[in-house]
Amino acid sequence: DIVLTQSPALAVSLGQRATISCRASQSVSTSSYNLMHWYQQKPGQQPKLLIYDASNLASSIPARFSGSGSGTDFTLTINPVQADDIATYYCQQSRELPWTFGGGTKLELK
Amino acid sequence: EVQLQESGPGLVKPSQSLSLTCSVTGYSITSNYWGWIRKFPGNKMEWMGYISYSGSTSYNPSLKSRISITRDTSKNQFFLQLNSVTTEDTATYYCASESTTGVMDAWGQGASVTVSS
Repeated sequence: DIVLTQSPALAVSLGQRATISCRASQSVSTSSYNLMHWYQQKPGQQPKLLIYDASNLASSIPARFSGSGSGTDFTLTINPVQADDIATYYCQQSRELPWTFGGGTKLELK
Repeated sequence: EVQLQESGPGLVKPSQSLSLTCSVTGYSITSNYWGWIRKFPGNKMEWMGYISYSGSTSYNPSLKSRISITRDTSKNQFFLQLNSVTTEDTATYYCASESTTGVMDAWGQGASVTVSS
């Protein structure tokens, strides 16, 4: 299985930039796609798709969210961070079955 | 807009079977892929498997032969059955729609299942 590694937590100040990383144990990119996706989950809610194929913003997601990366290293950026963004963020790969998730990064306020 | 809703027992005894239903509105399950994902206490998330628009299935090998995903197209529902459960199967279970490239673009609200005697 492809293992995805995320830092457990990140502390940021409101209005600042947050950069959340995800590293894969092997490449999740093809010649056409970077098959890494990002989800946001708030307590008591279901996960919500933010970014698909590494850099494409999902429907209705604010432009302060962006994604980048290829191969094994990917980044989710939130700029500027707002209070509503406090949540846990998960990366997920669909390069190879079984699909796998990172352990999640909890975004906290400084 | 597609909406998904899980339903089923919140408490299952060890060695028994866990059965959940996902009811889908706003989209036909004869299109797209439909998956089950669970989140364990402590936040680890595991993709369990999916059923496709044609009824074919794919399962996480970690679940070996314990899992079955089926569907009822007349009711626009799909189902999860997990056999021989243990306390380690205690989790929140989500159903989700999956794109052809494995993106989980819509999720149900989740069903909390506890395995305990």
